[in-house]
Amino acid sequence: QKEVEQDPGPLSVPEGAIVSLNCTYSNSAFQYFMWYRQYSRKGPELLMYTYSSGNKEDGRFTAQVDKSSKYISLFIRDSQPSDSATYLCAMRGGWAAGNKLTFGGGTRVLVKP
Amino acid sequence: GAVVSQHPSWVICKSGTSVKIECRSLDFQATTMFWYRQFPKQSLMLMATSNEGSKATYEQGVEKDKFLINHASLTLSTLTVTSAHPEDSSFYICSARTGTGYEQYFGPGTRLTVT
Repeated sequence: QKEVEQDPGPLSVPEGAIVSLNCTYSNSAFQYFMWYRQYSRKGPELLMYTYSSGNKEDGRFTAQVDKSSKYISLFIRDSQPSDSATYLCAMRGGWAAGNKLTFGGGTRVLVKP
Repeated sequence: GAVVSQHPSWVICKSGTSVKIECRSLDFQATTMFWYRQFPKQSLMLMATSNEGSKATYEQGVEKDKFLINHASLTLSTLTVTSAHPEDSSFYICSARTGTGYEQYFGPGTRLTVT
């Protein structure tokens, strides 16, 4: 079993719909959770960064972390064709755990006009 | 802020030659830089972690003599692929982390093709 599981998709939605993405993980030591967006043949771009359980909102993006269920989510409201990309979740432990990020496999999202 | 650049963005080389890829943090000092490899439609695979002024730490299965990493300053790390072979063809991405932050900021990637 992988440490971080993420549905590869593709997830196809009409423009304006809400995109719902999620990851599950098995390592209870993970404390910091990130979502990255990666366009084809480009480096990942940091979208959201959260610590511990709870919600965080930034514009059209909302990140949720439920540490008790080992489950994180990213919601994209009012999706646009420009949101079509691969979304990667990533997480890491505390300072003592070192610098290494553990990534999910990525979910490919297609927003159709 | 938090911009990371890579050079070159694309390189083609002949089998047996060496290729150097540069990773720079443009507007912050990166105490730690990371090198990843990514195959098509797959996630990122961490190759090594480098801290400024010290030797890189390689992940299991990554040949340190083949993938030479140098982190000479707080804004520059280089990855040299030595004696490249076609199987080394891949997308190489670096990331950088500040001394106090937990986030990693990624460069745009370098596509290496070995013929």
